[in-house]
Amino acid sequence: DAKTTQPPSMDCAEGRAANLPCNHSTISGNEYVYWYRQIHSQGPQYIIHGLKNNETNEMASLIITEDRKSSTLILPHATLRDTAVYYCIVGGGSNYKLTFGKGTLLTVNP
Amino acid sequence: NAGVTQTPKFRILKIGQSMTLQCTQDMNHNYMYWYRQDPGMGLKLIYYSVGAGITDKGEVPNGYNVSRSTTEDFPLRLELAAPSQTSVYFCASSYTGTGGYEQYFGPGTRLTVT
Repeated sequence: DAKTTQPPSMDCAEGRAANLPCNHSTISGNEYVYWYRQIHSQGPQYIIHGLKNNETNEMASLIITEDRKSSTLILPHATLRDTAVYYCIVGGGSNYKLTFGKGTLLTVNP
Repeated sequence: NAGVTQTPKFRILKIGQSMTLQCTQDMNHNYMYWYRQDPGMGLKLIYYSVGAGITDKGEVPNGYNVSRSTTEDFPLRLELAAPSQTSVYFCASSYTGTGGYEQYFGPGTRLTVT
């Protein structure tokens, strides 16, 4: 699986957009970019995934660069409940095993 | 749907004891997974299964065993518990198909071995 690099922590003001970056320079052609989050000690929660096109759902938007070497998860209007560890993971396609790194701790401040 | 359920929620074991962590999913997913998460770390894959009767090792399988006799259930067995197995254990399941997939996680079992 390709490895990912994320900042260990970020802060965001409540109501503002949170933009979480991820580098995955060794991603292969059939690998997807997945984002999960983990609130406190709960089980991880799926957010969004994409292959090469930008994606949007009710939770977030995923922007993938044209060369697919990096991506950004956007939470358009962060709330206090979005405080969590966010994991960027590359995998899927023909390989269904995901590798979780340490992720980014996003703290949303009032 | 209940999704992925895990029992027990908490357990304290003495060194050398054994136990089985239960995991059940009601989404008819073929794929199931067991992860462990140590404090401040990401999740590490212990075992996974691609269908009933088929299991395979993940990144950290030593000290654990699994079985998959039904689509719904994927129990994780700890034999001869050691303090290094103190962790939070998460079970997950997924459907696979074209277009990628998402894994659904259970609430976790917090295990302490003393």
